[in-house]
Amino acid sequence: EVQVVQSGAEVKKPGESLKISCKTSGYSFISNWIGWVRQMPGKGLEWMGFIYPLDSDTRYNPSFQGQVTISADKSISTAYLQWSSLKASDSAIYYCARQWGIFTRGVPLVYMDVWGQGTTVTVSS
Amino acid sequence: EIVLTQSPGTLSLSPGERATLSCRASQSVSSRFLAWYQQKPGQAPRLLIYDASSRATGIPDRFSGSGSGTDFTLTISRLEPEDFAVYYCQQYGNSLLTFGGGTKVEIK
Repeated sequence: EVQVVQSGAEVKKPGESLKISCKTSGYSFISNWIGWVRQMPGKGLEWMGFIYPLDSDTRYNPSFQGQVTISADKSISTAYLQWSSLKASDSAIYYCARQWGIFTRGVPLVYMDVWGQGTTVTVSS
Repeated sequence: EIVLTQSPGTLSLSPGERATLSCRASQSVSSRFLAWYQQKPGQAPRLLIYDASSRATGIPDRFSGSGSGTDFTLTISRLEPEDFAVYYCQQYGNSLLTFGGGTKVEIK
């Protein structure tokens, strides 16, 4: 069974750093893109970016480029999302999801087939 | 960026009724690369439909997807109590994935 399990809720202050995790099992971690989605309070879903763990090829939504870093550790089948300096506007639920689809002409055309349970990040002074 | 517009924003129906949800794209979605997700309060989204009309594993056949180009539809043939939720469409036909704003299906 494919499983995606995220780290627990975080409460941080503005300016602090944070790294949340997404541990996977039940499939070949290195062979599938894995991505992150933000959901701000009471709002819809926003794709942030994804990574291909085999070679760490990472693609970002331009809206999040430079604001977060996506990484992966192949040895423990875990993906990460990190911030170097949090803002109050980063308060949201962050979902990790395995991506499934095809890779053509250098572009991953993938949807999210298995989701983690979400990690709530609260940034408040 | 392909903008997805979902309508209506809220759909008020009774159990047993048919639900028809629309997702319109600002430009053509390549090769019907469109997915639908269901999200219940306090839960993560769940994949329902991919490639516009293929049901994900374990999804009941009362859920069906159709459409191509810029117009896509999710149909729930007969609403069950557990189907009242928010539904999102998402296109993956290019390098910038985008979601629609969602349709809430509520009990009338």
